[in-house]
Amino acid sequence: GEDVEQSLFLSVREGDSSVINCTYTDSSSTYLYWYKQEPGAGLQLLTYIFSNMDMKQDQRLTVLLNKKDKHLSLRIADTQTGDSAIYFCAEASSGGGADGLTFGKGTHLIIQP
Amino acid sequence: DTAVSQTPKYLVTQMGNDKSIKCEQNLGHDTMYWYKQDSKKFLKIMFSYNNKELIINETVPNRFSPKSPDKAHLNLHINSLELGDSAVYFCASSQDRGHGSYNEQFFGPGTRLTVL
Repeated sequence: GEDVEQSLFLSVREGDSSVINCTYTDSSSTYLYWYKQEPGAGLQLLTYIFSNMDMKQDQRLTVLLNKKDKHLSLRIADTQTGDSAIYFCAEASSGGGADGLTFGKGTHLIIQP
Repeated sequence: DTAVSQTPKYLVTQMGNDKSIKCEQNLGHDTMYWYKQDSKKFLKIMFSYNNKELIINETVPNRFSPKSPDKAHLNLHINSLELGDSAVYFCASSQDRGHGSYNEQFFGPGTRLTVL
């Protein structure tokens, strides 16, 4: 079955870069996603990457994909207090057209002043 | 306008009761989901519905039953509530583009269920 692993906590200083790492097991995943959950809120799609890409950049966000190692990372440049949230890596579950998502356990990003 | 809405936001109830959580989406999507997030924030899919047909049913007790009166609604009914059912339940929706296609899911704000 699918499995997505992330470290549970990351603490960075305001203004530094944050790098959140994720490993996954399903080599057939065509899209991989990063969702953000702020306290008391639902999840919001932050960014995604297609499996034939190595890198995707979107303003302060950079996603790196190493398909051989099944490793995905999210880099947030110039981390701000508003970036404090839980970040979930996700891949589509196998099983037909209406795929649910298999989420990692989420990385709590803690910003130090 | 709210894209995916859930009611109630909070639900506190006694063990053994039966309760329902409602979900509605106004995005015109054809697939809806229910996820459970436990106290450690771990998120797991419970069900998905596509065109009123159950597509995924993970290892969820049969006390949980999704009900979809139409494409815009997917309600979650829970019988004989247990302490372990306490969690935040998220509804989500997406447009099915086929297996392996881009699938952005839009999440509701969650319903925090507490079973006493």
